[in-house]
Amino acid sequence: DAKTTQPNSMESNEEEPVHLPCNHSTISGTDYIHWYRQLPSQGPEYVIHGLTSNVNNRMASLAIAEDRKSSTLILHRATLRDAAVYYCILSRYNFNKFYFGSGTKLNVKP
Amino acid sequence: GAVVSQHPSWVICKSGTSVKIECRSLDFQATTMFWYRQFPKQSLMLMATSNEGSKATYEQGVEKDKFLINHASLTLSTLTVTSAHPEDSSFYICSAPVLAGGPGEQYFGPGTRLTVT
Repeated sequence: DAKTTQPNSMESNEEEPVHLPCNHSTISGTDYIHWYRQLPSQGPEYVIHGLTSNVNNRMASLAIAEDRKSSTLILHRATLRDAAVYYCILSRYNFNKFYFGSGTKLNVKP
Repeated sequence: GAVVSQHPSWVICKSGTSVKIECRSLDFQATTMFWYRQFPKQSLMLMATSNEGSKATYEQGVEKDKFLINHASLTLSTLTVTSAHPEDSSFYICSAPVLAGGPGEQYFGPGTRLTVT
C-alpha cells in the first residue's frame, strides 16, 4: 500500500491561508488522493479528493504535483473550527480501503 | 447528505465480557463497511472489511475470533469484541464507501468509545 508522509504539526493564524503538504512518492497511476480531517473524539470528515488535476470545493483546494508524488491541501482562510488532524490518504480505484498515516495536527491561533 | 451512525457512542464493560457495536448507513446501502480502532493520540488503524452476505476479511495481526464482524443487512454491520480486556479499550470507528467501487470516498461514523474495566 502506498504510504503518505505528512508533518506532525503545523500552526496557522486565523483568517490566513494554510498549506498542508503530503508526500506520496510511491503513488500508482490508479491511486486517488484523499484528504480527511478529524476533530477530537469524532470520526473523520471528508475534505476533498483528486486524481491528477487540481480540485476545488467549498471547504478547500487540492493542488497535485505534476508527477503526483506530492499534494497540498489549501485552506484559503483558516478559522478556529479548522483546527483538527488532517489525514492524506491514497486509495486505489475500486479498492476503497483506507490506510491512515499519522496525519498533521493543525493548530489555528486567534 | 448520507450519514453513518454508530451505537452506542460510548460503553463501559467489565473484563471478560463481550460488547457489540453497531454501524448503520442511514440513507444508503452499503455492501461493504470498514472497521477501525484508534488509541489515544494515534491514527486510525484499519481492522477489517465487513462484507454483506459473506465473511469479513481481517487485516494482518487482527484476531478474527476476538473481533467478530457480522454484516447482517445492506445497512447494518456489527463488531463484537469478545472477552474484552483493558487493552481493548479504544475508540472504534466504522465507515462505508459513498459508492461501491469508484475513487473510494468514505462516510465515517462518529465512533464508539469502549472502556474495559
